[in-house]
Order: sequence, then C-alpha cells, then structure tokens
Amino acid sequence: DAKTTQPNSMESNEEEPVHLPCNHSTISGTDYIHWYRQLPSQGPEYVIHGLTSNVNNRMASLAIAEDRKSSTLILHRATLSDAAVYYCILRDDSGAGSYQLTFGKGTKLSVIP
Amino acid sequence: EPEVTQTPSHQVTQMGQEVILRCVPISNHLYFYWYRQILGQKVEFLVSFYNNEISEKSEIFDDQFSVERPDGSNFTLKIRSTKLEDSAMYFCASTRRGKGTEAFFGQGTRLTVV
Repeated sequence: DAKTTQPNSMESNEEEPVHLPCNHSTISGTDYIHWYRQLPSQGPEYVIHGLTSNVNNRMASLAIAEDRKSSTLILHRATLSDAAVYYCILRDDSGAGSYQLTFGKGTKLSVIP
Repeated sequence: EPEVTQTPSHQVTQMGQEVILRCVPISNHLYFYWYRQILGQKVEFLVSFYNNEISEKSEIFDDQFSVERPDGSNFTLKIRSTKLEDSAMYFCASTRRGKGTEAFFGQGTRLTVV
C-alpha cells in the first residue's frame, strides 16, 4: 500500500472546524483514500472514504486534491468526543489484494473546551 | 446499527497456553480480518479471510496463529502457544464486500500473557 504522511498531532477549539491534512504523493489510480479514527481504548472506526471526488457524510467531509496527491479530512464543528487518533490510509481496491488496511501513526487530535 | 462483537473483552493467560479469541462479524459481510495493536504502537494487520480460506497474511501471522470460521457466524483467532510479546489488543473487522467499502471493527480483546 502506498504511504501517507500526516502531522503527529493537532489541536482544535471546541465547536470550531478542523482540517486534518494527509499527503500521499505516490498514490496509484486504484487507491481509495480512507479515513478512520480511534478513540481512546476503542477499536478503529470508519469515518469516510473517496476515490477522486470530494465526499460528505454525517461525520465529516473529505476534500481530495485534483492530482490526488493530498487530501484533507474536515470536521465541521469539533466536539470533545472527536478527540482521537485520525488515520489516513490508502487502500488498493484493484482486486489484487484482500482489502486490508495498513495503519500508520496517524494524527492525534486534541479538542480544547 | 449492526456491529462486530468480540469476546472476551479481556483475557489473561499464562505463557505457553493456547488462547482462542472470538468474533461475530456483521452477518452479510464477506471479508474478515484480525489486527493487533501492542500498547502504544500502530494497529497491525494479521490476516484476512474470504470464501472460507485465508486470502492474505502478514509476517506476524506465523505457525502459532490460526483462524477459523467454524459455523458461518463466528470467526476465531487461535494462538497455539502464547508468548509474552503476544500481549496486545486484538481487533476483528469485517467488510461487506471488497472494493470501495468500509471496514467495521470490534471493540477488541485485550490479551495479557503473564
């Protein structure tokens, strides 16, 4: 799986938007961009994923650069329960593999009340 | 909302003993996975299971590990002879199909080998 680069940590004030960046300059055409998060003492939780177009769901938005070499996870209004480690993961969906996820260290998001 | 359930939540075992970690994936899912996370470290892929057989495994998944889906609902990870370094959180996950779908993770089993 292609590699991603994320900041180790970020801080946000409660009720403000948060933009979590991810660089993936070696992304291939069949790589989907996935975001998961892991709250303290819990299993990873799916947030959002996309291929080329920007995506929105009830949890977040995903903005994908036109060249797909970077993406940004947007939490529109951070709450204390959004404090977690956020993982940006590229997954090869060409069918050659078994669709497993390769986790990096992620970005630890702290939310300040 | 359907969820992946894992039992037990915490297991303590003596070194050299066999352990079986159990998972019930979401019922209409086709791909099943085990991951582990040693305290303070990254989540690591162990093995994937599709169509009643292992589809891919990592270097961590050596001969001491095995997986089974004995009855069409449970998905188990067996560690034959536990070592101290097997102490970790073990997460089960499942996906409905492969391409373009998300994985659902269980809450994990904390395995402590003493």
